[in-house]
Amino acid sequence: QTAVTQEPSFSVSPGGTVTLSCGLSSDSVSTTHNPSWYQQTPGQAPRTLIYNANIRSSGVPDRFSGSIFGNKAALTITGAQPDDESDYYCLLNMGSGIWVFGGGTKVTVL
Amino acid sequence: EVQLLESGGGLVQPGGSLRLSCAASGFTFSNYWMAWVRQAPGKGPEYVASIKKDGIEKFYVDSVKGRFTISRDNAKKSLYLQMNSLRAEDAAIYYCASWYYSNGWYLNYWGQGTLVSVSS
Repeated sequence: QTAVTQEPSFSVSPGGTVTLSCGLSSDSVSTTHNPSWYQQTPGQAPRTLIYNANIRSSGVPDRFSGSIFGNKAALTITGAQPDDESDYYCLLNMGSGIWVFGGGTKVTVL
Repeated sequence: EVQLLESGGGLVQPGGSLRLSCAASGFTFSNYWMAWVRQAPGKGPEYVASIKKDGIEKFYVDSVKGRFTISRDNAKKSLYLQMNSLRAEDAAIYYCASWYYSNGWYLNYWGQGTLVSVSS
């Protein structure tokens, strides 16, 4: 089964910019994979941030943006805030009703 | 306010069974595909199963095929996951979530989860 890859961790300074990626071990990510992004803090359920690669979910601050960059999906946080310190997961549609989450990226804001 | 409330988790021995439930409110349940997603301690989420609005079409991740059954009762606004032949690796928080389509599918509403522990 194709694996969904994400960086294990990133560190960003308050007010800084960070871009997380979501790739496939043996393919390129495209809009057909319906990339979506989820934020999760310890003890909480995931929260939807981005869907269809670049559409922000209701109530999500505009410092979060999504894109397809090269052969991967990307989540960019522009002007990081301390509250953005979380785990971030992408989800891809692999077809035939099967969806796969990436391993997640832990973002530290310091 | 949208709410998804899972229940039915607990401690079960390897080989045992559990039935999880998810009670939905605040949205038209029968209009949504639904899913179960699990998350083992310290790990990322894992998609488990999905079910179509009418309950006819179902999809499962390979690791639970033949052991887990997803079902729904639209009259009761409830989603279920029957889990049989449980293994240690099935231990996780199980989340109920709804699929939404807007130029592409994504999980829009999530419950708070119910914990399943598998141990002798």
